[in-house]
Amino acid sequence: GNSVTQMEGPVTLSEEAFLTINCTYTATGYPSLFWYVQYPGEGLQLLLKATKADDKGSNKGFEATYRKETTSFHLEKGSVQVSDSAVYFCALSNAGGTSYGKLTFGQGTILTVHP
Amino acid sequence: EAGVAQSPRYKIIEKRQSVAFWCNPISGHATLYWYQQILGQGPKLLIQFQNNGVVDDSQLPKDRFSAERLKGVDSTLKIQPAKLEDSAVYLCASSFGSTWGETYEQYFGPGTRLTVT
Repeated sequence: GNSVTQMEGPVTLSEEAFLTINCTYTATGYPSLFWYVQYPGEGLQLLLKATKADDKGSNKGFEATYRKETTSFHLEKGSVQVSDSAVYFCALSNAGGTSYGKLTFGQGTILTVHP
Repeated sequence: EAGVAQSPRYKIIEKRQSVAFWCNPISGHATLYWYQQILGQGPKLLIQFQNNGVVDDSQLPKDRFSAERLKGVDSTLKIQPAKLEDSAVYLCASSFGSTWGETYEQYFGPGTRLTVT
């Protein structure tokens, strides 16, 4: 079945530091890949997505590239801000199969950015 | 455009009691999802509706959980009787559709935080 693995443990950075959150996946076929963000007290929001190999999703300074050869979709940002403090979830969705549209999530990574 | 609405936002019950959650999706969205998010984990799909029909309920504990989507719009998720391990945030999401070969963005509601004591 489908699965998503994110890097372990919370991430703590200083403002303007470089961010990488690793994400790898296992899936049949050709899934679409997503990063969702959950700010404190708010619901899940789509941050970016990529629907085929080598696509790069980007939004709000965040980027992630769909790497089929390494089954990865790592999230990066060149200079984080305090306002980026949130929980980040990597997820995938199959456009085919028996339950298309369903999202499979990783366990989430807590990001804390200090001034 | 109004987002996905859920109520209540918080609920505390004792084990063996029953509880119901309500979701109103974005207008015109045919597909509705209920996810369970246990603390420290990612959301897990419980049930997926396409209009008022069930597409996937393979992860729904049917001995205690039930869900319906009357008239293909609002949905209700019920737990009866509740167990301690049901303590979680219950998220409702909707999308324009779920078509083979297509990927549609899912929009999430704020969730209902359930505590079972």
